[in-house]
Amino acid sequence: DGGITQSPKYLFRKEGQNVTLSCEQNLNHDAMYWYRQDPGQGLRLIYYSQIVNDFQKGDIAEGYSVSREKKESFPLTVTSAQKNPTAFYLCASSNPRGARYGYTFGSGTRLTVV
Amino acid sequence: GQQLNQSPQSMFIQEGEDVSMNCTSSSIFNTWLWYKQDPGEGPVLLIALYKAGELTSNGRLTAQFGITRKDSFLNISASIPSDVGIYFCAGQLGASGYGGSQGNLIFGKGTKLSVKP
Repeated sequence: DGGITQSPKYLFRKEGQNVTLSCEQNLNHDAMYWYRQDPGQGLRLIYYSQIVNDFQKGDIAEGYSVSREKKESFPLTVTSAQKNPTAFYLCASSNPRGARYGYTFGSGTRLTVV
Repeated sequence: GQQLNQSPQSMFIQEGEDVSMNCTSSSIFNTWLWYKQDPGEGPVLLIALYKAGELTSNGRLTAQFGITRKDSFLNISASIPSDVGIYFCAGQLGASGYGGSQGNLIFGKGTKLSVKP
């Protein structure tokens, strides 16, 4: 079955470390997105990519980086510059300009700084 | 970035009650979507609306695309315990797009449904 897979489900990071969250989809979607979710804050867009080798900053890109070398993959790196990284991270994908049919979300990665 | 105003932020339900929530915006949308998120999981699409005035049902859920294209509501009839979770509205702008890119969705902050103690 087609879907979008995030890994790991839980991730612990020491202060000062970079960590990379994985997002893979086999839906043949061109567009992929990363969101951060904090309690009561809804979904905040970090980065998005409409096509391979291209990506754009969202509302809260500072302290994060992404790459889009393959259509299926859109990894997110949380750098040490992100001062408050503890959150639930969601990856999503959609057809190009097909957002009217909705995004498909992964099951999320919960990142905790220890 | 632009945001949708979703209300209420939270509500408690008792089994069998009907539930209503809505989203409003100062911008005109050409698509409204409603998602549900279970704890620790990603949101799942419930209903999609594409025309002003459109009324669509999915089981006990009914959603409407407002006539002005600036609002939408979701009703849940005869709620059951598994209805608890966070419900998000999402809208897609027209040609003006978001962040320079056409078609990205804008999400409300969510309505959290909990069971009455």
